Amino acid sequence: DTGVSQNPRHKITKRGQNVTFRCDPISEHNRLYWYRQTLGQGPEFLTYFQNEAQLEKSRLLSDRFSAERPKGSFSTLEIQRTEQGDSAMYLCASRGDLYEQYFGPGTRLTVT
Amino acid sequence: GQSLEQPSEVTAVEGAIVQINCTYQTSGFYGLSWYQQHDGGAPTFLSYNGLDGLEETGRFSSFLSRSDSYGYLLLQELQMKDSASYFCAVRGPDNLFFGTGTRLTVIP
Repeated sequence: DTGVSQNPRHKITKRGQNVTFRCDPISEHNRLYWYRQTLGQGPEFLTYFQNEAQLEKSRLLSDRFSAERPKGSFSTLEIQRTEQGDSAMYLCASRGDLYEQYFGPGTRLTVT
Repeated sequence: GQSLEQPSEVTAVEGAIVQINCTYQTSGFYGLSWYQQHDGGAPTFLSYNGLDGLEETGRFSSFLSRSDSYGYLLLQELQMKDSASYFCAVRGPDNLFFGTGTRLTVIP
């Protein structure tokens, strides 16, 4: 257990529905990252927050994806109008002042 | 753009030493990280090289040559529990760019 928690751990949804995932980072970490990982691939960077400011977004993050970190603590990732191609593991990571990122257990999304 | 290359699979015997290589092409290079991921688990940090040379952490060591855009992870005294996927990742100013990973299988 790294101290980063994610909820839910699994989500099955029908195509076209909206889903929201939550990440609670290590409390003293001001940097928070979202990644997506599909089978046999490495994590792909989606977006990055420093405190409550979203400082970087990948081109992978289409308009259907939005992320927030309203008080600089927990973060949410919402996917609107889900598509089957959105099926993946969504990973959250947090970082303090050192280089190491601590990953949460992930939310596995299945779009049927 | 960014790209990393690492072998897709490696098999080694328990107690042996294995080296996983990583070559990269990127702009804005800050350093090379290594992560381990067991099936169904989250990536966990193993090592980081910001400067050329060798970093040692217990049974694991990592090496970086910035001039060659090359690094490797060395695992010594392999144990069955080391069977996992290993990812090299290039550190940019605000993110990590991961390779596709090397699946290590340790056999008795």
